[in-house]
Amino acid sequence: AQSVAQPEDQVNVAEGNPLTVKCTYSVSGNPYLFWYVQYPNRGLQFLLKYITGDNLVKGSYGFEAEFNKSQTSFHLKKPSALVSDSALYFCAVRDTGTYKYIFGTGTRLKVLA
Amino acid sequence: GAVVSQHPSWVICKSGTSVKIECRSLDFQATTMFWYRQFPKQSLMLMATSNEGSKATYEQGVEKDKFLINHASLTLSTLTVTSAHPEDSSFYICSARQTSGSSYEQYFGPGTRLTVT
Repeated sequence: AQSVAQPEDQVNVAEGNPLTVKCTYSVSGNPYLFWYVQYPNRGLQFLLKYITGDNLVKGSYGFEAEFNKSQTSFHLKKPSALVSDSALYFCAVRDTGTYKYIFGTGTRLKVLA
Repeated sequence: GAVVSQHPSWVICKSGTSVKIECRSLDFQATTMFWYRQFPKQSLMLMATSNEGSKATYEQGVEKDKFLINHASLTLSTLTVTSAHPEDSSFYICSARQTSGSSYEQYFGPGTRLTVT
């Protein structure tokens, strides 16, 4: 079965510092990986995806993610965090057969001023 | 492009009544739509896959007679919570997959907050 894990419930980072939100995956075959952000009482906003190609994927709002096949990881990163980045972040993998998305448990990012 | 809307954005209903939530793809056709449920501070749990013109496919543990899904057109899927109870209170999010073009991405609606009193 395909799955994703987000080992951290919460990540705190000071404004201006780099941030990393971790995600590891378990899939059969080539992974289709996604990052979404959710603000309170809102739906999901797409940040970026990895399908194939360069391991470093650049996305919206200055975020990027690095696909690491050997470590089965897809960590989300940003060089300089903003207070407005504070939100809930979800990593997801798409099931290759059914197009269903399997979501991680989410990581709450808190950027401190 | 690729915008998905949900209506209503929030709804309060009394226990025992039914409530319908709409999910629309505004600028693309979606053969397949998905319905998710999210409890406070938890992840999204897939409830069912909605296929245009056919019956929905429900995930294990989801009561199909309680959560009625209809996908009558390529741009509209509805979720009806029947005989709602307070434990049905949750945030419901839909997503839609484009019929043409990229087949791997889903576009998410803004969600509907359901409160059953």
